[in-house]
Amino acid sequence: EVQLVESGGGLVQPGRSLRLSCAASGFTFDDYAMHWVRQAPGKGLEWVSGISWNSGSIGYADSVKGRFTISRDNAKNSLYLQMNSLRAEDTALYYCAKDIGIEGLRLTYFDYWGQGTLVTVSS
Amino acid sequence: DIQMTQSPSSLSASVGDRVTITCRASQSISSYLNWYQQKPGKAPKLLIYAASSLQSGVPSRFSGSGSGTDFTLTISSLQPEDFATYYCQQSYSTRFTFGPGTKVDIK
Repeated sequence: EVQLVESGGGLVQPGRSLRLSCAASGFTFDDYAMHWVRQAPGKGLEWVSGISWNSGSIGYADSVKGRFTISRDNAKNSLYLQMNSLRAEDTALYYCAKDIGIEGLRLTYFDYWGQGTLVTVSS
Repeated sequence: DIQMTQSPSSLSASVGDRVTITCRASQSISSYLNWYQQKPGKAPKLLIYAASSLQSGVPSRFSGSGSGTDFTLTISSLQPEDFATYYCQQSYSTRFTFGPGTKVDIK
């Protein structure tokens, strides 16, 4: 059974940093691209970032480019999101999502999602 | 970035009704359009990929159609468990974008 478990969320002040993690199990992690998608309270879904199986291809939404860094450790079956210079508008539930393919930055879809970890940016 | 719109933003329907949700892209995305269902407090669930392909395990009352800029999600006979918010998503461009969602609730 595919499982994606996010962690690392919490309350953080504007301008500070936070690192999210996603532990994957139930599939061969390094055979698939992975993504982060967020959802602000009461709002819709926003794709944040994606990474190919070998970290060779990475993409970011304009809203986070230059502030967030996605990475993965295939030996640990884990996906990460380093979030710097956090803003109030980054407040959201952050989901980890599995891609159906290996490259994952186009012409694809997300077949499994975690339950999310909540990030609240507030002073 | 490719902008996605959905209509209606919400609808009220009864069990057994046929429901159609429309999604429009700001430019042609061929058939690279996916549909997700989200229930309150839960993660999104993939329903339809590549505009019309049914994800494994999804009931056949769900169907998708369209290409280019205009797409539809149809629920042929609404069931109690289908009351949820539905999102379309384009994967034609590297920066994936979602529609704003359509909330389906009980009439």
